[in-house]
Amino acid sequence: QSALTQPPSASGSPGQSVTISCTGTSSDIGGYNYVSWYQQHPGKAPKLMIYEIIKRPSGVPDRFSGSKSGNTASLTVSGLQAEDEADYYCCSYAGTNNWLFGGGTKLTVL
Amino acid sequence: EVQLVESGGGLVQPGGSLRLSCAASGFTFSNYWMHWVRQAPGKGLVWVSRIKPDGSSITYADSVKGRFTISRDNAKNTLSLLMNSLRAEDTAVYYCARVSGLWAFDIWGQGTTVTVSS
Repeated sequence: QSALTQPPSASGSPGQSVTISCTGTSSDIGGYNYVSWYQQHPGKAPKLMIYEIIKRPSGVPDRFSGSKSGNTASLTVSGLQAEDEADYYCCSYAGTNNWLFGGGTKLTVL
Repeated sequence: EVQLVESGGGLVQPGGSLRLSCAASGFTFSNYWMHWVRQAPGKGLVWVSRIKPDGSSITYADSVKGRFTISRDNAKNTLSLLMNSLRAEDTAVYYCARVSGLWAFDIWGQGTTVTVSS
């Protein structure tokens, strides 16, 4: 199966909002509510930011929110802060015990 | 503290073998599905393999099927990945990760680097 499709880059100024999309198919994103998002700073391990499309683990700021429509999931970061600059990856369960990640989006805070 | 610590990475020649380990602490290891995820240099995350809490169900990505073997020792709180017939395209940082009832990878190790080169 092919990776989920994310834009390679996104950017915004401090305080602004930015939305990152993640497009899959009816066999992954469209077929399950198990979409998650990960933040990865350079040289660090990924960190879970959103799970089950819209839920935030404890400790993740409510500036981070998720949504899904059809075969596309989205991550929105509101009130951008300098520390939000990182790579972001979406992930979806794809059935038959498989998991798919997106190609990643580099978020730049201008 | 909930923690995963990988080890065993290194430089190996094409066709060679390597065994990665992941030591778990701070949680009841035997209750969780465990996975391996890799990241080639400058590239994105790619799911590799997963194993059921009791080890009775195992799944691999097509790219490693028949070459990699995932296993676990719940008595020692350890996850392993035996990698055979290694190829240049297997060069990556390998992460072990826990999947909880959240259906997401909620805990990650720091990663171990595997380089396949002559």
